[in-house]
Amino acid sequence: DAKTTQPTSMDCAEGRAANLPCNHSTISGNEYVYWYRQIHSQGPQYIIHGLKNNETNEMASLIITEDRKSSTLILPHATLRDTAVYYCIVRAFSNDYKLSFGAGTTVTVRA
Amino acid sequence: EAGVTQSPTHLIKTRGQQVTLRCSPISGHTSVYWYQQALGLGLQFLLWYDEGEERNRGNFPPRFSGRQFPNYSSELNVNALELEDSALYLCASSLRAGADTQYFGPGTRLTVL
Repeated sequence: DAKTTQPTSMDCAEGRAANLPCNHSTISGNEYVYWYRQIHSQGPQYIIHGLKNNETNEMASLIITEDRKSSTLILPHATLRDTAVYYCIVRAFSNDYKLSFGAGTTVTVRA
Repeated sequence: EAGVTQSPTHLIKTRGQQVTLRCSPISGHTSVYWYQQALGLGLQFLLWYDEGEERNRGNFPPRFSGRQFPNYSSELNVNALELEDSALYLCASSLRAGADTQYFGPGTRLTVL
């Protein structure tokens, strides 16, 4: 997986949007941007992924810059249950079967 | 649709014992992946099974082994447990082999005393 850089931590107010940045300046053309999160001591949860275009699902939106060197995960209305470590990774669909998480961003949603 | 399930949730063993962890993938998924997540060490790839065959294994000793059954469920066996085997063991499944999106189970917390 190409290297990603994320802030160590961030706070967010409940009900507000949480914008989580990720830098992946060495991403290759065939690599997707993936986001997972892990609530303390639970299994990682898949959130969303994308290649070039912005993506949205029931959990979040993913905004990828035109040069694909960075992206932002948006949780539109953060709740206390969104408190977790969020991992941004890049992986190719061809042969990247091993997932590897970096340190991620610890997001704390406050009431 | 049920997600990936794992059993047991928690397990306490002593050094030298053997343990078997179980995983049921999402219905229709043929690939199962096992990971170890020890405190402070991040996600470490253990094994990948697809269509009943072991496709790849990570840098773990042979006492870590497993298998995948015809219904695509999987077992992870760890023999001669050591203290450093204490970790969260995660199973993930994907619809297709290889680099498809992986969905994780809740994990099995193994404590070796």
